[in-house]
Amino acid sequence: SQQGEEDPQALSIQEGENATMNCSYKTSINNLQWYRQNSGRGLVHLILIRSNEREKHSGRLRVTLDTSKKSSSLLITASRAADTASYFCATDAIPTDKLIFGTGTRLQVFP
Amino acid sequence: EAGVTQFPSHSVIEKGQTVTLRCDPISGHDNLYWYRRVMGKEIKFLLHFVKESKQDESGMPNNRFLAERTGGTYSTLKVQPAELEDSGVYFCASSQRDTINLYGYTFGSGTRLTVV
Repeated sequence: SQQGEEDPQALSIQEGENATMNCSYKTSINNLQWYRQNSGRGLVHLILIRSNEREKHSGRLRVTLDTSKKSSSLLITASRAADTASYFCATDAIPTDKLIFGTGTRLQVFP
Repeated sequence: EAGVTQFPSHSVIEKGQTVTLRCDPISGHDNLYWYRRVMGKEIKFLLHFVKESKQDESGMPNNRFLAERTGGTYSTLKVQPAELEDSGVYFCASSQRDTINLYGYTFGSGTRLTVV
């Protein structure tokens, strides 16, 4: 299987705390993307980091990428209850143009 | 710019019936993908169109699933006959080949299929 692995599988924190999710993958990639899925709803694209980038910021999100270890992390700072969702990393694998998703981290932020 | 539109948003059918899901990609996007998430498990790739051609259908689970993209515009995914294990959320995504590395993919809101 080419599916990536994410950890933790589930994470519960209080509002205001930071949340860190990790993702590992298996193949060479063009880029790595993070998506969010609110319960029962569609996938929302959060951030894309290219294979030649090491860190990227977008608002309260910070993503790192280590291609030597084939891993990435997503940090959400100052979390809010509205951040409660499932978070998925997805790699755009070489040589295909299809996304391969990780197993997801279910984040619960308590008010 | 309109996003990726999927129809219906929900569908409840009986085992053995047929269901057709539709996806309208962003206008001008050559790449169209179908994915599904079954029972809260991982999101799995089903197939990939480039315009009207099937580029990769390696993720299609069996011959009960048929995808088409006539004229390279919208796509349909038909399940016939539906089985209980087909229940899940079916996502469609589109992208433009030369901007994948900039903007990634745009996903629709999904069709939640329940087979009873």
